[in-house]
Amino acid sequence: DVKVTQSSRYLVKRTGEKVFLECVQDMDHENMFWYRQDPGLGLRLIYFSYDVKMKEKGDIPEGYSVSREKKERFSLILESASTNQTSMYLCASSESGYTKNIQYFGAGTRLSVL
Amino acid sequence: LAKTTQPISMDSYEGQEVNITCSHNNIATNDYITWYQQFPSQGPRFIIQGYKTKVTNEVASLFIPADRKSSTLSLPRVSLSDTAVYYCLVGSMDTGRRALTFGSGTRLQVQP
Repeated sequence: DVKVTQSSRYLVKRTGEKVFLECVQDMDHENMFWYRQDPGLGLRLIYFSYDVKMKEKGDIPEGYSVSREKKERFSLILESASTNQTSMYLCASSESGYTKNIQYFGAGTRLSVL
Repeated sequence: LAKTTQPISMDSYEGQEVNITCSHNNIATNDYITWYQQFPSQGPRFIIQGYKTKVTNEVASLFIPADRKSSTLSLPRVSLSDTAVYYCLVGSMDTGRRALTFGSGTRLQVQP
């Protein structure tokens, strides 16, 4: 089974802090994704990466950056956390090839910014 | 980008068939349609994927008409454990087209 692990289930940070959300997948997938999920808004794509050191902006990249130095790890960075970034953050991965559009998700990190 | 629209919620009873429709009027040629299930405090889980016509697996069927502007997820004989939020995702990771758009989700409540 594919396993996507997010480093924290719950995080509480203060406004202005730099926040790192880590995600690791164990299936050698090329593609990795970060989404945020808010009530009534569904899942919105923040960034994705299709290879090491490669990244593309999703629908809502403002206020976020990402890092992918190794294939299995994809980090989401909030340079200066703000209260409107309080949300559930979901990481996902997918492989290349004919199943490339099937994503496997982690359990999520619920971030509260105070 | 392919915008998707789903009903906000649906109710059903155990043993019934449930059909959830997703509208995606401006779907692109390379886009696939993928459905996910999400339980509280968990990440979404893949259910089924299709490109056109009908796809069936051990848990669901996916019906896609010829114009591909909508799709219907069919869950046969639902049980209480099928109570969840169901999302359709339209998009593709093919080069030059990496737009991925989730619907807002349909909350399915199954009653005994």
